[in-house]
Amino acid sequence: RKEVEQDPGPFNVPEGATVAFNCTYSNSASQSFFWYRQDCRKEPKLLMSVYSSGNEDGRFTAQLNRASQYISLLIRDSKLSDSATYLCVVNFLTGNQFYFGTGTSLTVIP
Amino acid sequence: NAGVTQTPKFQVLKTGQSMTLQCAQDMNHNSMYWYRQDPGMGLRLIYYSASEGTTDKGEVPNGYNVSRLNKREFSLRLESAAPSQTSVYFCASSKYRGTYEQYFGPGTRLTVT
Repeated sequence: RKEVEQDPGPFNVPEGATVAFNCTYSNSASQSFFWYRQDCRKEPKLLMSVYSSGNEDGRFTAQLNRASQYISLLIRDSKLSDSATYLCVVNFLTGNQFYFGTGTSLTVIP
Repeated sequence: NAGVTQTPKFQVLKTGQSMTLQCAQDMNHNSMYWYRQDPGMGLRLIYYSASEGTTDKGEVPNGYNVSRLNKREFSLRLESAAPSQTSVYFCASSKYRGTYEQYFGPGTRLTVT
């Protein structure tokens, strides 16, 4: 079983729509959680860390559910520039072992 | 502030050839990492270095060696390249701000024929 699993999509949504991605992780000892964004043929870039109480950054909201071992990312009022692959990342107790999901592809359509 | 830089950007090797991928960061981060990214597999950790002078294996270390030359630089060496090592290689560094946030270099696209 993979450490981190994501629905690969693709998600095709119209501009202005709200879209949500989920990600599940297998190791209950996981400590830190992140969402990264990766544009085609580019490096991953940190979108936001995910905190236990949930957190928001503008149009983006991240939630963590430790009991069910999943994290989510909600994007409101989607923009064309949000088109990318979104990577779920989990960090274990050691602090230096990161596990990446395979990514969820989002295309925002005019 | 260049962040994380990697060289080369592209490389084509023949099976059996060797090469070293270079990575440097100017953010004064203690930890550095090498990943490979293959279609449908996600990023997988090859090696990491928690601090200058230490290195540890990640998920897929076979066929690779690393050197943490100093705090800034972390190199990845392929001693005898194989077609299975065709991939995109990313270097990253991280700092601790309550959690470890990683910052990535632009990647090296390697093809082994």
